Amino acid sequence: GQNIDQPTEMTATEGAIVQINCTYQTSGFNGLFWYQQHAGEAPTFLSYNVLDGLEEKGRFSSFLSRSKGYSYLLLKELQMKDSASYLCAVKYYGQNFVFGPGTRLSVLP
Amino acid sequence: SAVISQKPSRDICQRGTSLTIQCQVDSQVTMMFWYRQQPGQSLTLIATANQGSEATYESGFVIDKFPISRPNLTFSTLTVSNMSPEDSSIYLCSVTEISRYEQYFGPGTRLTVT
Repeated sequence: GQNIDQPTEMTATEGAIVQINCTYQTSGFNGLFWYQQHAGEAPTFLSYNVLDGLEEKGRFSSFLSRSKGYSYLLLKELQMKDSASYLCAVKYYGQNFVFGPGTRLSVLP
Repeated sequence: SAVISQKPSRDICQRGTSLTIQCQVDSQVTMMFWYRQQPGQSLTLIATANQGSEATYESGFVIDKFPISRPNLTFSTLTVSNMSPEDSSIYLCSVTEISRYEQYFGPGTRLTVT
């Protein structure tokens, strides 16, 4: 199978930086995606990585190391509205997306 | 990105009945998918909706329980048949646009079976 691991919960303070990690099985890897999901809402697309390195989009950045089967989502200057679940999803060749269990982030004042 | 709508947004149904959920996209897309998300859980793919042919189901999901149609490039339906309380969940439609890799999700249908 393609097990994807993420921490279940994280807590951080408003204005701080938080890093959410995701590990996955490397065989057949064809892209990694991060989604944000607020309670009661649908997931929204944040980032896509297929090559090694860092992709930056405003306060959010995503990093990928294909050889290590590792990615992280970095959130800077945390705001209360960033409290949500963050889902890592991996696309494997010949298969559809596989979603990780999600990380529930709580941002405290 | 594509604008996706789902109907109904929520419903409460009795055991043994069926519910059909509609997904409409405002532009032509290559792929359409149906997911289930149970409370506090991540997303589980039910099937890929194929235009003009039978859907491709993931392990653990069968056509008799979750029949799917996709008559054109912008519309699909998912039916949850012979419902039981275990089918209470959020059902989400997602799409992939032409020349893109990421999926975009509809607002979801919250189903409660009593």
